[in-house]
Amino acid sequence: DAGVIQSPRHEVTEMGQEVTLRCKPISGHNSLFWYRQTMMRGLELLIYFNNNVPIDDSGMPEDRFSAKMPNASFSTLKIQPSEPRDSAVYFCASSPKGLGTQYFGPGTRLLVL
Amino acid sequence: SQKIEQNSEALNIQEGKTATLTCNYTNYSPAYLQWYRQDPGRGPVFLLLIRENEKEKRKERLKVTFDTTLKQSLFHITASQPADSATYLCAPVDVEYGNKLVFGAGTILRVKS
Repeated sequence: DAGVIQSPRHEVTEMGQEVTLRCKPISGHNSLFWYRQTMMRGLELLIYFNNNVPIDDSGMPEDRFSAKMPNASFSTLKIQPSEPRDSAVYFCASSPKGLGTQYFGPGTRLLVL
Repeated sequence: SQKIEQNSEALNIQEGKTATLTCNYTNYSPAYLQWYRQDPGRGPVFLLLIRENEKEKRKERLKVTFDTTLKQSLFHITASQPADSATYLCAPVDVEYGNKLVFGAGTILRVKS
C-alpha cells in the first residue's frame, strides 16, 4: 500500500499566483481531509469529503481557497490568489468508513513570497 | 466553543522512565479519542483509539486512559527510548460534529539517553 500521496512536496511561489495542491487517498477509503499546519495555529481542518462529496468546509479560511474531489482517487486544494499568510504545511488524510482513524500524507510545504 | 488542551511545554525525560502526556477537553462529549504521533517534517501517524466506555487501552509500551468525568485522557509511554521523541497529538471525536477530528496543539516529548 503506497499510503496517501501528495504533490508537490514543496512549493515556492510569489504572492498573487495560483497554487494547486494534489492528493491521492488510499484506495478504498471513503473520506478525505485537507489540513493546514502552522506553528501558531497548529493542525487545522480545512475541509473534508465523504464519498467525494464535500461535507464540512467551515475551516476554509476564505473564498481564495477551494477544494474539489472529482473521483474517489483524487482531490485538489487550490489557493487563488495566494498570499504570504498562506505559507504553511498542507496535509491530506484519508479514512476508511467507521471510527475515523486517519492516514496522513507527507504534506506539501508551501511558501508564498 | 470546543477546546482541547495539551501540555503546553515540552516534556523532557530520561530514557527508561515513563512519560505521561495530558489531554483535557471542554465543550465536548467525545464518543472516542485518538492519539497520533508526529515526527518533524512528516504527517501525523495514528497510535491508539479509546472509546468512551473503555477506561484504559494498551498497545505494547503505550497506555491510554479516558476519564469522561474529568474530561481528560492520559497517554503513557513506559520504558521510554530516545526514538519515542516526537510530538504527540490528541484528537477527541464528537459524533455530533460528524466524526471529524479536532487536534490539540500537541506535546513535544524529548527522551534523553
